[in-house]
Amino acid sequence: DVKVTQSSRYLVKRTGEKVFLECVQDMDHENMFWYRQDPGLGLRLIYFSYDVKMKEKGDIPEGYSVSREKKERFSLILESASTNQTSMYLCASSFTASGANVLTFGAGSRLTVL
Amino acid sequence: AQTVTQSQPEMSVQEAETVTLSCTYDTSESDYYLFWYKQPPSRQMILVIRQEAYKQQNATENRFSVNFQKAAKSFSLKISDSQLGDAAMYFCAYKLGAQKLVFGQGTRLTINP
Repeated sequence: DVKVTQSSRYLVKRTGEKVFLECVQDMDHENMFWYRQDPGLGLRLIYFSYDVKMKEKGDIPEGYSVSREKKERFSLILESASTNQTSMYLCASSFTASGANVLTFGAGSRLTVL
Repeated sequence: AQTVTQSQPEMSVQEAETVTLSCTYDTSESDYYLFWYKQPPSRQMILVIRQEAYKQQNATENRFSVNFQKAAKSFSLKISDSQLGDAAMYFCAYKLGAQKLVFGQGTRLTINP
């Protein structure tokens, strides 16, 4: 019954590596989001996409990029990972037409950058 | 900028008792949505309850209810008859624009048996 799938639950990478975090949803949602979760800071929006090939910056886009080539898939890319990107990354999706825009979340990807 | 503030980093309650989690927000809009999400340990974030600002009646979902004070920009979550399964991080969120949600810092709720 999993509806938003994040490809990796745990990753360990080295400083300077390129990192891909993948997210797939099977609900035909238009909107997809990448949030970063840190203790005491809550969830902060990195990027979101409201359609294929469309993207908008969130509150903390620096050091990240995204790709949405297909409606069901939204990838977060760290071009050159740094230790301050060690965090939990949450993917979510939603329908625009739902009004309330209720988010469905994935299980999260915990990234450690050494 | 719209902000959401949860002033209680941690709360604890005895099983079967009632607990209230606080949330305040800042907005210049008149119509909007507010949410409470729950993140159990090592599990996915799920929606607990939502409130439309134009509705004066407070939302209720079984043991979960909200106290929505629009003028005060306050949106607290009350959990009645607390159960062990209620232990989680709780996040308050505000819908900004057509798609984006802004989240608070979170409150970790512990249930004592």
